[in-house]
Amino acid sequence: GAVVSQHPSWVICKSGTSVKIECRSLDFQATTMFWYRQFPKQSLMLMATSNEGSKATYEQGVEKDKFLINHASLTLSTLTVTSAHPEDSSFYICSAMGQGNYEQYFGPGTRLTVT
Amino acid sequence: KQEVTQIPAALSVPEGENLVLNCSFTDSAIYNLQWFRQDPGKGLTSLLLIQSSQREQTSGRLNASLDKSSGRSTLYIAASQPGDSATYLCAVSPPNTDKLIFGTGTRLQVFP
Repeated sequence: GAVVSQHPSWVICKSGTSVKIECRSLDFQATTMFWYRQFPKQSLMLMATSNEGSKATYEQGVEKDKFLINHASLTLSTLTVTSAHPEDSSFYICSAMGQGNYEQYFGPGTRLTVT
Repeated sequence: KQEVTQIPAALSVPEGENLVLNCSFTDSAIYNLQWFRQDPGKGLTSLLLIQSSQREQTSGRLNASLDKSSGRSTLYIAASQPGDSATYLCAVSPPNTDKLIFGTGTRLQVFP
C-alpha cells in the first residue's frame, strides 16, 4: 500500500514552454501533497505544500506564478512549470500524506531538462 | 531556522563492514525524524521513522537512534552489502507542521 506515482518520469522541453507534472496517490486519499526539487548531488528542497481543495503554500523564494500547483482531488496534484528556462532543469519529487497519517510517501520523481 | 547536516558526505567501504551514518539538526524541537534511501535518479524509500518520544528503531540490518536533546541521530548498518550502495538522507519534521527538512545526504558505496 501507500504507492505514489509521477508522470512523466522524464521530460525535455524547449525554453519558454510550460510543462505539467502529475503526482497521484494510487491506493489512498492524499489530503496533503508536497513538491520538492533536487539539483544534482544535492538534497531535497521543499517547494510547496498543497492541501486538497485549497491554494498551495509556497516556501520562501519559490515563485508561485512560475510553479503552479493544483490539488483538485484527493488523489491528484499537478505542478506546472511555466515559461521554463534551463535553470529550471532539475529532479522534481512529490510526496503524499493521508489524513491522520504523519508519514509522507514519495513518488519516483520527474527529471525535467529545459533546452 | 532548522538546519540538518549529515556526516560524512561520502563513504566507500568494503562489503561486510558495519557502518555509522550521522545526522545532526540545529533545533531540538522536532516531531519526528526519518531516514530515507535514494538510488541514483530515483525517488525516496523510507527506511525508519523515529517519533520524538522514541530513542531508536530497528529494521533488519538497520538501526536508527535519536538523541533529541543533543540534536543527533545515527543510522547503523550492520554487515554492509553492495546492494546498500545509495544516498542516505535524514529528515526532521518540525512540530505543528507536516513539512520535512532534509539533510545534505551521505553517498554510500559498498564494494565487493
